[in-house]
Amino acid sequence: AQRVTQPEKLLSVFKGAPVELKCNYSYSGSPELFWYVQYSRQRLQLLLRHISRESIKGFTADLNKGETSFHLKKPFAQEEDSAMYYCALSGYSGNTPLVFGKGTRLSVIA
Amino acid sequence: NAGVMQNPRHLVRRRGQEARLRCSPMKGHSHVYWYRQLPEEGLKFMVYLQKENIIDESGMPKERFSAEFPKEGPSILRIQQVVRGDSAAYFCASSPPGTGGSYNEQFFGPGTRLTVL
Repeated sequence: AQRVTQPEKLLSVFKGAPVELKCNYSYSGSPELFWYVQYSRQRLQLLLRHISRESIKGFTADLNKGETSFHLKKPFAQEEDSAMYYCALSGYSGNTPLVFGKGTRLSVIA
Repeated sequence: NAGVMQNPRHLVRRRGQEARLRCSPMKGHSHVYWYRQLPEEGLKFMVYLQKENIIDESGMPKERFSAEFPKEGPSILRIQQVVRGDSAAYFCASSPPGTGGSYNEQFFGPGTRLTVL
C-alpha cells in the first residue's frame, strides 16, 4: 500500500537554525516524491520534487531509496518559512493522484 | 489566469441535506482531482476526472458521493444525505493535459469547508 509518514505534527526552530522536516514513504516500485507548502491564508502549492533536484527558497530534499525517506532540509530557517508542509508521492508519471502525509507545521521563532 | 476556483468557500448543511461543491480548473487544464482533508489529517484522494470521464474514483465512498466534470462548466462534487462525518475541507486540483513520462504539477484551489450540523 502507498503511504507517506510525517512523524512530527509541529516543529519549532529559531531563526537562523537548521531545519529538517522528516518524511518516510512506503511504496512498491519507483515513486515520485514531492513537498507541498501552505502558507497562512494561501493555497497549497508545490515546493519541490525529487526528480528536479533543485533548491527552492533554500530548501532541498534528497530521495533515499534505502531508507525510503525524503526529508526536507534548510540550513538557516527564516521567519517567512513558517507554514504547513506536506510530503506527497505519486506512483507513476503523468497525471496521477497524490498520496499525502498528515503534514508538519513549521514555526520559526524570531 | 485566476487559478483554480472553488465555491462556495464555506458550506453549512444539516444532516440529510445535499451538498454541491464546485471547482473551475485553470484555463487549459483538462484534469481535475478532488481531495478531502479531515481535521488533523492529510489530504486524501477521492476522485480524478477528465472532461466527461471519471478516470479513477477509488478514493470516493461508493454511497452518497458522486462527481462529474461536464464538457462545459465546472466540476461538481455532490454529497447526498450528508452526515456529520462528512464535515471536512474539500480541495480541488487541476493539471494540464499529459505529455507522457513526466509529472504534471497539480494546482490547488482554496478549498471548500463543509460543516454538517
